[in-house]
Amino acid sequence: AQKITQTQPGMFVQEKEAVTLDCTYDTSDPSYGLFWYKQPSSGEMIFLIYQGSYDQQNATEGRYSLNFQKARKSANLVISASQLGDSAMYFCAMRGDTGRRALTFGSGTRLQVQP
Amino acid sequence: EAGVAQSPRYKIIEKRQSVAFWCNPISGHATLYWYQQILGQGPKLLIQFQNNGVVDDSQLPKDRFSAERLKGVDSTLKIQPAKLEDSAVYLCASTFAGWGSRKNSPLHFGNGTRLTVT
Repeated sequence: AQKITQTQPGMFVQEKEAVTLDCTYDTSDPSYGLFWYKQPSSGEMIFLIYQGSYDQQNATEGRYSLNFQKARKSANLVISASQLGDSAMYFCAMRGDTGRRALTFGSGTRLQVQP
Repeated sequence: EAGVAQSPRYKIIEKRQSVAFWCNPISGHATLYWYQQILGQGPKLLIQFQNNGVVDDSQLPKDRFSAERLKGVDSTLKIQPAKLEDSAVYLCASTFAGWGSRKNSPLHFGNGTRLTVT
């Protein structure tokens, strides 16, 4: 079984500052992938970034980076230079095994960027 | 490329009524998922299809929920009869990944159907 834990129900950040959203996970799979999605108030789920469990380097995609600490089973999302449009729900998710399984999602963190 | 299409966008029904949702995945995507997202929670998998076969329906309340994916393309999710606790957003997602798929294949989501059961 896989479990994703996001302990921050809500976060505030000032515009142009960096923010870290926490995610810890638990799985018995030796190989797995970690994903972050953004869900604005309009409801669509937007894929942000992916980290494989055997990737040597932490993933980066523009202003998004993933702070992956395998021993601690954490995969925190870092957003640099926050923008007002970053205000949304953020979900951490994982997929294990061969990739045939669906994503398991955490409960999400609501980020509000303040001007 | 066109995204995942879902309809209707909103639906309001009374408890004990039935309702159906439709999903058209991205062209060529073999795997299709239905997720239920209750307000304030993360999406929870209901059912996963690989082409027109069911891969995982372990969390589908089969006494009231049913889903099909005829011809391995479009899919419908039905609830009959609906309960108050079924009020949620129903998200359809698809991915190109087939059997032996790569772990890094993201799911592409539709805009969802918001169901309100009164």
